[in-house]
Amino acid sequence: DAGVTQSPTHLIKTRGQQVTLRCSPKSGHDTVSWYQQALGQGPQFIFQYYEEEERQRGNFPDRFSGHQFPNYSSELNVNALLLGDSALYLCASSFTVQETQYFGPGTRLLVL
Amino acid sequence: KQEVTQIPAALSVPEGENLVLNCSFTDSAIYNLQWFRQDPGKGLTSLLLIQSSQREQTSGRLNASLDKSSGRSTLYIAASQPGDSATYLCAPSGSNYQLIWGAGTKLIIKP
Repeated sequence: DAGVTQSPTHLIKTRGQQVTLRCSPKSGHDTVSWYQQALGQGPQFIFQYYEEEERQRGNFPDRFSGHQFPNYSSELNVNALLLGDSALYLCASSFTVQETQYFGPGTRLLVL
Repeated sequence: KQEVTQIPAALSVPEGENLVLNCSFTDSAIYNLQWFRQDPGKGLTSLLLIQSSQREQTSGRLNASLDKSSGRSTLYIAASQPGDSATYLCAPSGSNYQLIWGAGTKLIIKP
């Protein structure tokens, strides 16, 4: 079992650009959550996907959107990038929303 | 709105010491609470999960306790080793199962 995988590992973009991050959940998991972690802070919840629908959303603007595919993998899209979007983006998967979340290694995004 | 505080923010101790990391949260209506470890620049590893009905959980040299009514959890690390150096984060979850995070305690174990 490969666990939760994320791609790419690192990414550099410029302000105003768009970015897509990808996540493959742990085998058997159907729920994917995305978090943003700024340097020196704890993660902040962006949104959660279950059965290909966004089920919960944190306090993030509409520039942040996502998608879940039939195989439970997920994408996080961020439009009109700002310098403040520079962070580690973490994906976590679980077997239903109530169970323990397992985290991927993250994608580090730098916006210049 | 749930707020999570972790004290101390950083801790440096010599190898072999037993130590306690503290986590406090403002809303006691939690579903469970997890402790995570994060190595520099890396993702998160779940260490222990305590259900709201439980008082403590143990895994090896780690013991986590939960006092829901007072909004506190502690992570006890016995006989610390240099490999324990990392940032430790606690995250309670509410009725919507969403994790709310503290900023973490950065732990350095000196050989």
